[in-house]
Amino acid sequence: ETGVTQTPRHLVMGMTNKKSLKCEQHLGHNAMYWYKQSAKKPLELMFVYNFKEQTENNSVPSRFSPECPNSSHLFLHLHTLQPEDSALYLCASSQDLLAGGNQETQYFGPGTRLLVL
Amino acid sequence: AQSVTQPDIHITVSEGASLELRCNYSYGATPYLFWYVQSPGQGLQLLLKYFSGDTLVQGIKGFEAEFKRSQSSFNLRKPSVHWSDAAEYFCAVGAESSGYALNFGKGTSLLVTP
Repeated sequence: ETGVTQTPRHLVMGMTNKKSLKCEQHLGHNAMYWYKQSAKKPLELMFVYNFKEQTENNSVPSRFSPECPNSSHLFLHLHTLQPEDSALYLCASSQDLLAGGNQETQYFGPGTRLLVL
Repeated sequence: AQSVTQPDIHITVSEGASLELRCNYSYGATPYLFWYVQSPGQGLQLLLKYFSGDTLVQGIKGFEAEFKRSQSSFNLRKPSVHWSDAAEYFCAVGAESSGYALNFGKGTSLLVTP
């Protein structure tokens, strides 16, 4: 496989469930991102990791918990979500952060469509 | 404040017609500019990007975009649209001063009619 992959592609969960979203990048990049895409709203940056270290938490509720065990994998652990959390969750990666220019171009995965009942 | 505006929420064009999607930005520093396309149920695919140099940028699938600093615009164009171009198009802007934070526009939905 090439590029950025995400699993599962679709997920339905109840508000009391615990689930995890997985992202894997095969590009040798050092930075990874989680975005939330809701209907009729711009993409919202949630978390940023650089060399496995979290560098950004964009005021995301604690019911979303990211994990980055290595530069190729990124998880988003979900717990006691609300119906308004239903959205498309997109993972992206880039060569580097703050390196300027081409190295910051972000490449996106296909997303996980999440429905919270 | 930094912002990205895509003034057109929906655009309909006939197959074979030309296309221009508008993007305006408000940034204090020299921006990095991107256009992404998203097909239904899919992630975002990078069409093209501008960092410096020639202000007319060529991308994939026959798209191009022109950076006009005086107008704070980065409009996307294609001379002849194909039915497969129907999708959602997003303009994104970043700047070295804001680090890795990309601001995305709300998107323009393109419908292509026969």
